[in-house]
Amino acid sequence: EAQVTQNPRYLITVTGKKLTVTCSQNMNHEYMSWYRQDPGLGLRQIYYSMNVEVTDKGDVPEGYKVSRKEKRNFPLILESPSPNQTSLYFCASSLWGYRETTTGELFFGEGSRLTVL
Amino acid sequence: KQEVTQIPAALSVPEGENLVLNCSFTDSAIYNLQWFRQDPGKGLTSLLLIQSSQREQTSGRLNASLDKSSGRSTLYIAASQPGDSATYLCAVKKGSGYSTLTFGKGTMLLVSP
Repeated sequence: EAQVTQNPRYLITVTGKKLTVTCSQNMNHEYMSWYRQDPGLGLRQIYYSMNVEVTDKGDVPEGYKVSRKEKRNFPLILESPSPNQTSLYFCASSLWGYRETTTGELFFGEGSRLTVL
Repeated sequence: KQEVTQIPAALSVPEGENLVLNCSFTDSAIYNLQWFRQDPGKGLTSLLLIQSSQREQTSGRLNASLDKSSGRSTLYIAASQPGDSATYLCAVKKGSGYSTLTFGKGTMLLVSP
């Protein structure tokens, strides 16, 4: 089954304790991205990756790191989490839309709810 | 900068009604527009994707239309059911290849039995 898998789905942590949220997709997609969703603010992009070893900042990258060492995985790293990073996080992936046979349709994971105390 | 607006923010209807959700965008130079459904605390599920060259797409009881020149899209849901209760988001993609997807804040739909 084609899917984007995130782990953990729920996490409560304390300020300053490093954590990693994993994301894996089995669709051979080049493009992967992280979003956070907050009430009243909607979905905001944190980081994205166009392919292995190619990453760039989105709209709200402060306090986050990413890496793309393999095509299927795109982990989100919070080196020193703070309470303002309490949010619902989504990983998404897509084929590039430049090919005639692709549409650029975006597929989302189930989300990871993070609480930083 | 592209801005995507969804009105209304919330909608409550009785079961069986046909309804229309609206999405407007400020920059008509888009590559495609995608409608998503999100259940509470869950991920986004793609419902329909309309390429800029298309006028509409249909899937079951759902029909999405696109009017690029006026910067508008509508999602029509026929014969609504309680299971349709969810938040519906639209997102526009500026260009082919990598380009930012800009999301609306969604319309929360409640269908009462």
